[in-house]
Amino acid sequence: SAVISQKPSRDICQRGTSLTIQCQVDSQVTMMFWYRQQPGQSLTLIATANQGSEATYESGFVIDKFPISRPNLTFSTLTVSNLSPEDSSIYLCSVVAGQGAYEQFFGPGTRLTVL
Amino acid sequence: QKEVEQNSGPLSVPEGAIASLNCTYSDRGSQSFFWYRQYSGKSPELIMSIYSNGDKEDGRFTAQLNKASQYVSLLIRDSQPSDSATYLCAVKGAGSYQLTFGKGTKLSVIP
Repeated sequence: SAVISQKPSRDICQRGTSLTIQCQVDSQVTMMFWYRQQPGQSLTLIATANQGSEATYESGFVIDKFPISRPNLTFSTLTVSNLSPEDSSIYLCSVVAGQGAYEQFFGPGTRLTVL
Repeated sequence: QKEVEQNSGPLSVPEGAIASLNCTYSDRGSQSFFWYRQYSGKSPELIMSIYSNGDKEDGRFTAQLNKASQYVSLLIRDSQPSDSATYLCAVKGAGSYQLTFGKGTKLSVIP
């Protein structure tokens, strides 16, 4: 399976600032996704990162708050903007590796704490 | 609204026993089903996928799917303390790659 890395692995940010998270895959992948996992909770899909076009956001998530880029088939960024303590979560990218495949593999995650 | 339900646990089993984890889902059109293991402080790790009714075995793990009952389960044989983790059930609907996750069942294997 693809090797997925995320940067940073963790960060502590001040209220009102922004954090950009990078997701890098060691091979070209079909699909890339961004999830949020709030403390003690399961995973919630934020958006599908589309290569060369705007991301597709799930209900409750908007581009102004969670801008996403995917300039190529191996890299994506998620920015969490105008941070508040409620944004303290783990943010995970996931990938689907090949055509006709459905299995999703997750990166190691970014733990964000907002003070 | 697509829903995936799991018992939150904790489920405690003695070492060497069979652990049985259950999951139900609401979307009858769901096509693909996955079990992830998540250790505390780590990201989810895919351990099983199942697409057809019946059983699928991989080592000590067996996934069972019954689409008519909208039910999927994971059996862990010869449970080990290293199996202690939260197990997440995930379901993929028709026509998309998106996964809906259950809240997870916390498993504790007692030595």
